[in-house]
Amino acid sequence: DIVMTQSPDSLSVSLGERATINCKSSQSVLYSYNNKDYLAWFQHKPGQPPKLLIYWASTRESGVPDRFSGVGSGTDFTLTISSLQAEDAAVYYCQQYRSAPRTFGQGTKVEIK
Amino acid sequence: QVHLVQSGVEVKKPGASVKVSCKASGYTFSDYFIHWVRQAPGQGLEWMGRIDSKSGGTIYTQNFQGRVSMTRDTSITTAYMELTSLTSDDTAVYFCSRGESPGGANDYWGQGTLVTVSS
Repeated sequence: DIVMTQSPDSLSVSLGERATINCKSSQSVLYSYNNKDYLAWFQHKPGQPPKLLIYWASTRESGVPDRFSGVGSGTDFTLTISSLQAEDAAVYYCQQYRSAPRTFGQGTKVEIK
Repeated sequence: QVHLVQSGVEVKKPGASVKVSCKASGYTFSDYFIHWVRQAPGQGLEWMGRIDSKSGGTIYTQNFQGRVSMTRDTSITTAYMELTSLTSDDTAVYFCSRGESPGGANDYWGQGTLVTVSS
């Protein structure tokens, strides 16, 4: 199984400041056949289902604000929230969907300072 | 618009089974897999497995092998997840989610079904 490790476990950021979350996979999630990284980022708030933010490591899902961005390839990935808003307080997960079982990182809790 | 609507809260005794449904609408059911993910209290997200809505083929994660069964009824565009031999460790919110066949990200999710296992 591919192990996903996120850092940090939690983050406290002031409104308007940048939040950065890292995700590392134990094996590459790049599929050479189509040159795509099978890496997604989700936002999860209590009492709600997870929300897809980013797929193919850097493609923003429709309707997701452009303050959310994803970069990286192979085994190292980053989610950045460029200017934190109050509604961004949540737990963020990376997930690889390159191979089964699809595995999630342990989650990063983002709080407003 | 795409909707995945799950069945309601379940309370089960240890050793029992639970079957959660996920009714899909707003898209071509057979073009997507249905994945099942759970979140135990205070824990992260755990992928349980998926079913190919077209063929019925399944993949389950090792943790649930032998205890989980994922099925679908294409006539009513509904997927099901049955978990047997429940213990208190299975107390969790269970989510269904679709992913484009064969390797798409999980873009739409059901609202979640709370399953509580308690004597």
